Order: sequence, then C-alpha cells, then structure tokens
Amino acid sequence: NAGVTQTPKFRVLKTGQSMTLLCAQDMNHEYMYWYRQDPGMGLRLIHYSVGEGTTAKGEVPDGYNVSRLKKQNFLLGLESAAPSQTSVYFCASRDTGAGNQPQHFGDGTRLSIL
Amino acid sequence: EDKVVQSPLSLVVHEGDTVTLNCSYEVTNFRSLLWYKQEKKAPTFLFMLTSSGIEKKSGRLSSILDKKELFSILNITATQTGDSAIYLCAVHSGGSNYKLTFGKGTLLTVNP
Repeated sequence: NAGVTQTPKFRVLKTGQSMTLLCAQDMNHEYMYWYRQDPGMGLRLIHYSVGEGTTAKGEVPDGYNVSRLKKQNFLLGLESAAPSQTSVYFCASRDTGAGNQPQHFGDGTRLSIL
Repeated sequence: EDKVVQSPLSLVVHEGDTVTLNCSYEVTNFRSLLWYKQEKKAPTFLFMLTSSGIEKKSGRLSSILDKKELFSILNITATQTGDSAIYLCAVHSGGSNYKLTFGKGTLLTVNP
C-alpha cells in the first residue's frame, strides 16, 4: 500500500539547470497538490490539480510548472533552477468522497540549488 | 487572504508534562481544520474538526474547535519523547479546489 510516492528523494542542481519531480498516488484520488516547506515558513502551496488534465496556481507558483496527464501522476517542473528554490517539496493527494477528506502526503524531495 | 497562526512556534518540555498547542485562523468559507504531526518526513494526519465544541480524541492526544472564536487547540497529555515533532495546523477553505492553508507549525521537543 504505497500511498503517495515522490521521486527523487534528494537532488542537487546547479543554477539554471532544469528538472522534474514526480509524484505518484495509488489511491485513485482526484485532487493533487505540490507544496514547498522552508524553515520558519510552514507549507506553502505551489500548484494543485482537481483532476486529470487540469492544473491551477497556488500561493507561490512563480518559477514552477506542473502537468497532470494521468490521474495518478502529478509532475512539478523547474525550468531554470534558482538558489531560492532550495527547499523540501511535498506532494499530497486527496479524495473527493462525501464530506471533508484529509490530504495525504508523500515523504518529500529535498532539493538543493547551488 | 486566508491566514493560520500557530503558537507557540517552539516548546521544550519534560516527559510526563501536558502541553497545549494553539491554532487561530481567518479564512473565507471555512470547511474544516486539520492537525498533522511531522517527524522526519511526511506530515501524518491526526485530526479533522468541522464542528464547534466536539472533542476529537486519540489516546493521549485530543483537539477541540471553537468556530465562534476561530481557534483550535491540540492537547497532549503525559508526553513521551516520541511526541517530539512539528505539529501543523491547517484549514480547509471552501470552493471547488479545497485548498489547505497551513500555519508555520509548532516544534515540540520532549526531553527524557
């Protein structure tokens, strides 16, 4: 029962490089989210998706792009990495069942931009 | 803009102490308030509260919501070193996207 799986777990990039973070969930959830967590800042929403083929901006979307081509996968892309994007990135998913449902999180990707 | 404020930001206690963590919020179209515990990796879900005055309880942890005064508390009794973690409060606001707004968290350290 994997839940939400993020790859990679760690990555070091040089300024200007690009990369894609992958989030996969096996719970058939409609909603998926990408957050970043920085010391003293809590979790901040980057982008989210309410279903396959849809994406929307969150609180801090600049410098990131996302895609949701398949329901189970949500990709976060950095086109030109900057040191300010050094952070821990968390993916989450959520069911749309009756009533409120909690978000379930992956273990995170620790990204360092040099 | 939705806002969630947690206090204190950090807390150090001894095993056996009781702690109270606070969360206040200002959001539009409140749906629910959630508490998460974060140790090394993923935040793990503790409680969801939607109604005022009804306590949610799980072992030594309990939480209650006051929708009139816009706050929630998380109580941990007889703390253990394994309770050391960041405790995150988040609020689900309404609409079609069901976003969570998180507070900055409370870092709890329980010393033996």
